[in-house]
Amino acid sequence: DAGVIQSPRHEVTEMGQEVTLRCKPISGHNSLFWYRQTMMRGLELLIYFNNNVPIDDSGMPEDRFSAKMPNASFSTLKIQPSEPRDSAVYFCASSNTGLASEQYFGPGTRLTVT
Amino acid sequence: GQNIDQPTEMTATEGAIVQINCTYQTSGFNGLFWYQQHAGEAPTFLSYNVLDGLEEKGRFSSFLSRSKGYSYLLLKELQMKDSASYLCAALLRNSGNTPLVFGKGTRLSVIA
Repeated sequence: DAGVIQSPRHEVTEMGQEVTLRCKPISGHNSLFWYRQTMMRGLELLIYFNNNVPIDDSGMPEDRFSAKMPNASFSTLKIQPSEPRDSAVYFCASSNTGLASEQYFGPGTRLTVT
Repeated sequence: GQNIDQPTEMTATEGAIVQINCTYQTSGFNGLFWYQQHAGEAPTFLSYNVLDGLEEKGRFSSFLSRSKGYSYLLLKELQMKDSASYLCAALLRNSGNTPLVFGKGTRLSVIA
């Protein structure tokens, strides 16, 4: 079975550019999560969806970040405009039954903003 | 605010037992996760404790005391492949902030 798929795996962009990260959850999972991981702040939950609906976005750092889930098999996290402090590894994860269950993480996207 | 504390680094010997502690000060606590993360890879799920007590799963066990705000992960018969970071995370309800808060992780080195 295919796990959570993320693209791109690596992204290098210049400050001010728009960045779009993509995620395909495990088929049949109804919850999807976006995380950011840095050395300084550790792993942080940014936003999560249940049945394609955003449930909690309290972890989204600021208005430059937005996430969508147009259907059960696809989600995007967009940063516009990007800044050097956004450099991090962004993980997408999915689960069967929301937050209180095992989450399956994708391989992550390593974003570098110069 | 919400606070999760765990040691930054630990070292243990192959074949031995190691206990990784996690303390939390949170409001609206629901349960506690443990994840394993090898360097350069994604986290993988180990356990989720809601009730007090010890839950055993092969070589790994996880313990929770809700009254003390304390959890530990116990790894037995350590193997070199257990060298990784171990993240604890508290699931919160009605927190007003993010509902899942992670500790910074404990980097475990298993030596021969």
